[in-house]
Amino acid sequence: QQQVRQSPQSLTVWEGETAILNCSYEDSTFNYFPWYQQFPGEGPALLISISSVSDKKEDGRFTIFFNKREKKLSLHITDSQPGDSATYFCAASANSAGNKLTFGIGTRVLVRP
Amino acid sequence: EAGVTQSPRYAVLQEGQAVSFWCDPISGHDTLYWYQQPRDQGPQLLVYFRDEAVIDNSQLPSDRFSAVRPKGTNSTLKIQSAKQGDTATYLCASSFAGWEQYFGPGTRLTVL
Repeated sequence: QQQVRQSPQSLTVWEGETAILNCSYEDSTFNYFPWYQQFPGEGPALLISISSVSDKKEDGRFTIFFNKREKKLSLHITDSQPGDSATYFCAASANSAGNKLTFGIGTRVLVRP
Repeated sequence: EAGVTQSPRYAVLQEGQAVSFWCDPISGHDTLYWYQQPRDQGPQLLVYFRDEAVIDNSQLPSDRFSAVRPKGTNSTLKIQSAKQGDTATYLCASSFAGWEQYFGPGTRLTVL
């Protein structure tokens, strides 16, 4: 059973457009949601995170929108750049479970110049 | 500040061979994680430590995999008798008090 689901699996946008990546989860005890960015041949790098007490978190061109009632969140990448081409993983954890991260399958983003 | 370092970066084995992966976490980080990332999938937690103690190894195939962190700093993950299904990237991550996890570059394992 996949506890963290991501869609779409891949996404292509033009430079300057907004990329929208979706994530949903099953476990209502999850209360921390980091997004990781991974380039080929590298480990995942923490991009931005949100806790369940907030409904929005912004960091530069990256924004997380969180809907606790629907157990959904999304990552918006505004003014997409070719350097943003990477795989993005949504993850979730619960304080009660020792902050073990459960990852989604990832969304591969390609930004065309 | 140095990040998480891992070695080797690549390993190629025949089925049945043994292999060890080594991880040096960020200085001061008390929690260390080992993940397995199959191709085109997200990382999946195998085991994690707080200091030298194993906190959760429920996803570690205990018949062939083992992990240690004897002094609460560096860690070694060992596969005793590798199978083709073990082909994946093995990632080490560390954090302080279980919060933000920082990943190393990983070891890409191919089992022929």
